[in-house]
Amino acid sequence: DIQLTQSPSTLSASVGDRVTITCRASQSVTSWLAWYQQKPGKAPNVLISKASSLESGVPSRFSGSGSGTEFTLTISSLQPDDFATYYCQQYRTYPCTFGQGTKLEIK
Amino acid sequence: QLQLQESGPGLVKPSETLSLTCTVSGGSISSSIHYWAWIRQPPGKGLEWIGSIYNSGSTYYNPSLESRVTISVDTSKNQFSLKLSSVTAADTAVYYCARHGYTSATSYFGFWGQGTLVTVSS
Repeated sequence: DIQLTQSPSTLSASVGDRVTITCRASQSVTSWLAWYQQKPGKAPNVLISKASSLESGVPSRFSGSGSGTEFTLTISSLQPDDFATYYCQQYRTYPCTFGQGTKLEIK
Repeated sequence: QLQLQESGPGLVKPSETLSLTCTVSGGSISSSIHYWAWIRQPPGKGLEWIGSIYNSGSTYYNPSLESRVTISVDTSKNQFSLKLSSVTAADTAVYYCARHGYTSATSYFGFWGQGTLVTVSS
């Protein structure tokens, strides 16, 4: 299985900050990587697919980059609604796998 | 608007079989370009893909669970189902049904149900 390691596990930030979350894969997933946002008690919601393609309806402050084994999710200016847990997921090979999550907290 | 809704018992005894159904509304489970999946999340932990099924009944399972998992589809009811046998406390989780694309480029989870908590306890 392809292992995905996210860093940091927890991130404390303030409204207006620019934040970056990293996802590293144990082997290349080319660009087949998605990012999800999950709020407490809710299902995850896809933000980005194919490493950098913003899903419809997702604010443009979210962006993704990377290929191969290293990927980043950047939020350019944190809004109150952005404090949540973020997961990366590879769909290059079965079984698809998820990172362990990054919890974004209010500083 | 596509909606997925999980249903089934919220409490299952150890060694028994967990059974859940996902009802799809606002779209057809017979779609030629989508797979239907089960994903779970233990309390306070991360996400684990369990398996996926196509409308023909073709399935893919996570090898870590494959010996205990059966996913089936009922196109007449627009539903698909999960059975997980010989459950233990480690199977306690929120179980989500979800949809992903048929091609490599679209195999991420674009739609999710709200999830249902299943607790394994005597």
